[in-house]
Amino acid sequence: GAVVSQHPSWVICKSGTSVKIECRSLDFQATTMFWYRQFPKQSLMLMATSNEGSKATYEQGVEKDKFLINHASLTLSTLTVTSAHPEDSSFYICSARDQVHTEAFFGQGTRLTVV
Amino acid sequence: KQEVTQIPAALSVPEGENLVLNCSFTDSAIYNLQWFRQDPGKGLTSLLLIQSSQREQTSGRLNASLDKSSGRSTLYIAASQPGDSATYLCAVIKAAGNKLTFGGGTRVLVKP
Repeated sequence: GAVVSQHPSWVICKSGTSVKIECRSLDFQATTMFWYRQFPKQSLMLMATSNEGSKATYEQGVEKDKFLINHASLTLSTLTVTSAHPEDSSFYICSARDQVHTEAFFGQGTRLTVV
Repeated sequence: KQEVTQIPAALSVPEGENLVLNCSFTDSAIYNLQWFRQDPGKGLTSLLLIQSSQREQTSGRLNASLDKSSGRSTLYIAASQPGDSATYLCAVIKAAGNKLTFGGGTRVLVKP
């Protein structure tokens, strides 16, 4: 299957700082990327959907000014958690899909800890 | 609104037993259904994808069936191994390009 690379795999940051997470599709063009958040022992919660070159569509309850998503190219999307607080600590996972395949491919996830 | 449910939430079996994982969805108008595996602290690995026109898909020891009209899918894992211990998630998509709706997952433990 196609490969989606997510970086970093884990990050610890101080409260009030911003953190950027990258999601890359390595061998296909990701026209659509999805960002999820996952709490311990829970399923994935969709945060936003982004199409290359367009503004992201955020799910209800997700603050777009706090979770900035950029999808400027067909192989890269970034999620920036701005002014992070301890309650933002979570596991963040990206997913990518191209125009040909309906199958979704996932990154390895990023464990964010805000101290 | 589509809702996806996975029962049981957790399952523990001795090595060698067959695993049966259930997934149900409320809206039968789906485009496809995917089964994923997630190891602790890791991302998701796609196991099987079943198109809405298909009844089942097989890959090695894994077999997934789909009964769209009744809103059910079942993932069978034959001759389970300790390495099969993980959380298994099912997800459905309403139309091509749309978002996935996930079930809560089934945590599987295969005891040696």
